[in-house]
Amino acid sequence: DTGVSQNPRHKITKRGQNVTFRCDPISEHNRLYWYRQTLGQGPEFLTYFQNEAQLEKSRLLSDRFSAERPKGSFSTLEIQRTEQGDSAMYLCASSWAENQPQHFGDGTRLSIL
Amino acid sequence: KQEVTQIPAALSVPEGENLVLNCSFTDSAIYNLQWFRQDPGKGLTSLLLIQSSQREQTSGRLNASLDKSSGRSTLYIAASQPGDSATYLCAVPRKAGGTSYGKLTFGQGTILTVHP
Repeated sequence: DTGVSQNPRHKITKRGQNVTFRCDPISEHNRLYWYRQTLGQGPEFLTYFQNEAQLEKSRLLSDRFSAERPKGSFSTLEIQRTEQGDSAMYLCASSWAENQPQHFGDGTRLSIL
Repeated sequence: KQEVTQIPAALSVPEGENLVLNCSFTDSAIYNLQWFRQDPGKGLTSLLLIQSSQREQTSGRLNASLDKSSGRSTLYIAASQPGDSATYLCAVPRKAGGTSYGKLTFGQGTILTVHP
C-alpha cells in the first residue's frame, strides 16, 4: 500500500494558462474523488469516479474544469484558462467501497499569479 | 442540504491534557462519520471511521463517539502531546436523491495546538 500519490505538489502559473494535475490512487481502490480546499476551510467535493466512469460532478466544477480516469487507474484534473479564484489546494482521495474510509493524497497547491 | 459544524474553531492546551473536539451535522441520515487530521500544507490523514451502527471507535489515544439522533460526534484525545498539533476535520457522506457515492461534506476544522 503506497498511498495516494499526487503530482505536482505545487504549481504556479499565470492567469489564463491551462494546468493539469495527476492522481494515482491506492491500487485496489475503484473509487476516486477530487476535492478542493481553500485556506481555513474544509475540502469541498468536486467530482467522483467509479472505475473509469465519472458518476457525479459538483456545481463548483465549471466548464473550464475537466477530469478523466482512463482505464480506471490514475486520474487527471485539468483547468483551462485559469482564474485567480482557482487558487487552492486540490486533493484526491480513493476508497474501495462507499462505506469505507477515504484515503487522501498530499494535494496539489495551485497558485495563480 | 447537509451542514457540518466543528467547535471550537481553535484550541490551545498544555501537554498532557485530555481534550474533546466536537462535530455536529444537520442531517442525521448518515451511514458513517470520518475524522481526519491535517498538518500544515499536507493532505488529510484518516484517523477513525464510525459506522452508523456503532457508537464508538478507538485507536490508541483517540476515541470517537457518534450520536446520530442528536447529530453529534466527539473526538476525545487522551494525554495530548505536541505532536498532536494539527487541524482536525470531521466529515460525513452526503446523500442526494438517495445516492451518495460516498462524497464527503466536511466541517471547517478545529486547529489544535499542544504546547510543551
